[in-house]
Amino acid sequence: GDSVTQMEGPVTLSEEAFLTINCTYTATGYPSLFWYVQYPGEGLQLLLKATKADDKGSNKGFEATYRKETTSFHLEKGSVQVSDSAVYFCATHTGNQFYFGTGTSLTVIP
Amino acid sequence: GAVVSQHPSWVICKSGTSVKIECRSLDFQATTMFWYRQFPKQSLMLMATSNEGSKATYEQGVEKDKFLINHASLTLSTLTVTSAHPEDSSFYICSASDGRGGWDTQYFGPGTRLTVL
Repeated sequence: GDSVTQMEGPVTLSEEAFLTINCTYTATGYPSLFWYVQYPGEGLQLLLKATKADDKGSNKGFEATYRKETTSFHLEKGSVQVSDSAVYFCATHTGNQFYFGTGTSLTVIP
Repeated sequence: GAVVSQHPSWVICKSGTSVKIECRSLDFQATTMFWYRQFPKQSLMLMATSNEGSKATYEQGVEKDKFLINHASLTLSTLTVTSAHPEDSSFYICSASDGRGGWDTQYFGPGTRLTVL
């Protein structure tokens, strides 16, 4: 099956810093790619997705581009806020199944 | 909208006992529900998929007699860990889909942490 490798955390940044969380995947087909975010005490929430090569998903200032040639889907944000502190999960979806990375914990300090 | 709850949020039990975890869709009808487990520093792993009124489909390597799943209504699915042992200690997460957005549209619960002593 598919597998997802994402940058290990925890990551600690100052407010307004630039964020990159790396994610690479292996897949036998042509998966859709996702970033989910989990705030403390809440369920995973869809942050953004991309369904085909070169698509860019974006939401709340976060962006990720589906790079087929490097099998990557890195998450970026130009200026993080304290409210962005959460755990971020990269995932693929092939057929009817999700494959998740291990999650990256982000803490943004004022 | 599209809120999924889980109960309890954490549970501690003795080895050999059974534990039931509930997953509810609060504001939509969940035609399909999914159960995942997550070990520390590891990915979420799909355990089983259940459709309302049907038997659950288990992933390879998941013991169906140990992890009993009941999806009796469009808003409730339960996972019962039978004769729990310390190696069953994990974080269990459910998700639900109303079928409208396709297979990749799932709404996740906050998870239940199970500790077996």
